[in-house]
Amino acid sequence: QQQVKQSPQSLIVQKGGISIINCAYENTAFDYFPWYQQFPGKGPALLIAIRPDVSEKKEGRFTISFNKSAKQFSLHIMDSQPGDSATYFCAASMGGNEKLTFGTGTRLTIIP
Amino acid sequence: GAVVSQHPSWVICKSGTSVKIECRSLDFQATTMFWYRQFPKQSLMLMATSNEGSKATYEQGVEKDKFLINHASLTLSTLTVTSAHPEDSSFYICSARPLTSGGQETQYFGPGTRLLVL
Repeated sequence: QQQVKQSPQSLIVQKGGISIINCAYENTAFDYFPWYQQFPGKGPALLIAIRPDVSEKKEGRFTISFNKSAKQFSLHIMDSQPGDSATYFCAASMGGNEKLTFGTGTRLTIIP
Repeated sequence: GAVVSQHPSWVICKSGTSVKIECRSLDFQATTMFWYRQFPKQSLMLMATSNEGSKATYEQGVEKDKFLINHASLTLSTLTVTSAHPEDSSFYICSARPLTSGGQETQYFGPGTRLLVL
């Protein structure tokens, strides 16, 4: 019930391409869905977040698409760059409960 | 803004010793701080939630007597790994939730502390 499933485990995208990472959840009480970016040996950094009242949120090259009925959300990275190579985690939490439930992570590699 | 620091960034200690890790919110006050553990190529595992001035809430399976958490002020939380053993070697990461944040659930993470127990 508390799980957030993330796919793929690893992803290789050519420079300039679109990187897409997907997450699915079961608990309909989740109402906050952030994405974090983590570089090796560093802590995660908040990238972008969305709430269920909108279906899409865009910040620069990063877009979250949210499908409430399917209980799925995804991260799209447009014009992917080598500097985007990192591990990405989706997460979810319930209003009033601050614990984040993390996905298993996606290791993204952008090749020239 | 919203910077969280951790000290030390890495530590090597002998088995049986205790290690203290500090987590500070540098430019905001945090009512709640979280401690995570991360093994190589794995996701973050929440260990405990600490609120300023009260006892920490530990996740199931986390030994509270082994991982002591103190949240003495709105900008500082400490994690002490007592009687450390090699299996405690890991990457420990804290996060903090600002006292006043646009999205109440927003957490900002520290850079992590790598612990190696010999």
